[in-house]
Amino acid sequence: NAGVTQTPKFRVLKTGQSMTLLCAQDMNHEYMYWYRQDPGMGLRLIHYSVGEGTTAKGEVPDGYNVSRLKKQNFLLGLESAAPSQTSVYFCASQEGRAGYTFGSGTRLTVV
Amino acid sequence: GENVEQHPSTLSVQEGDSAVIKCTYSDSASNYFPWYKQELGKRPQLIIDIRSNVGEKKDQRIAVTLNKTAKHFSLHITETQPEDSAVYFCAASHQNTGNQFYFGTGTSLTVIP
Repeated sequence: NAGVTQTPKFRVLKTGQSMTLLCAQDMNHEYMYWYRQDPGMGLRLIHYSVGEGTTAKGEVPDGYNVSRLKKQNFLLGLESAAPSQTSVYFCASQEGRAGYTFGSGTRLTVV
Repeated sequence: GENVEQHPSTLSVQEGDSAVIKCTYSDSASNYFPWYKQELGKRPQLIIDIRSNVGEKKDQRIAVTLNKTAKHFSLHITETQPEDSAVYFCAASHQNTGNQFYFGTGTSLTVIP
């Protein structure tokens, strides 16, 4: 039972490049979330999903897209990376009205 | 949407003393309040949570109190130990209409041996 797995753990992108972050959970959770964590700003919600095939915008969705084609996977895409997207990205999953289970994070640097 | 404010942003205490972190929220419909601990370079981990039908909850050295009227909740850590040093985040959620959490900006707690 791996819980929530994020790949990659680290990545450096050049401005304008694209990439996809993968979040996989093996707990059969319905809800999945993508947050970004920046110093002094806490965790801010980018996008989330309440079930397979559904997605919704969070607080800071601009510049990101997501897909939930399979219940266990939640993908976060950056189509054209910008330096402002340098951050640590956390995925989380949740079942019902419980707390989140977080992944280990992806540290992304855009130069 | 919900707005969660957290204070202080940094806190230093002597080992064995108590630490208190306070959060306020704006949406009176919020009804679930978890607290997370994040050690350096690690993922946030849930340490305690409270629902709006309860005023206080305790788990060993950690307790959380909730004042719905004033819309604030607090984390209390007693008999602090060096391993309590971490960043602590509070969050609020309105689980009747959506499960997403809104987080505070974090408190960096340092326990001085």
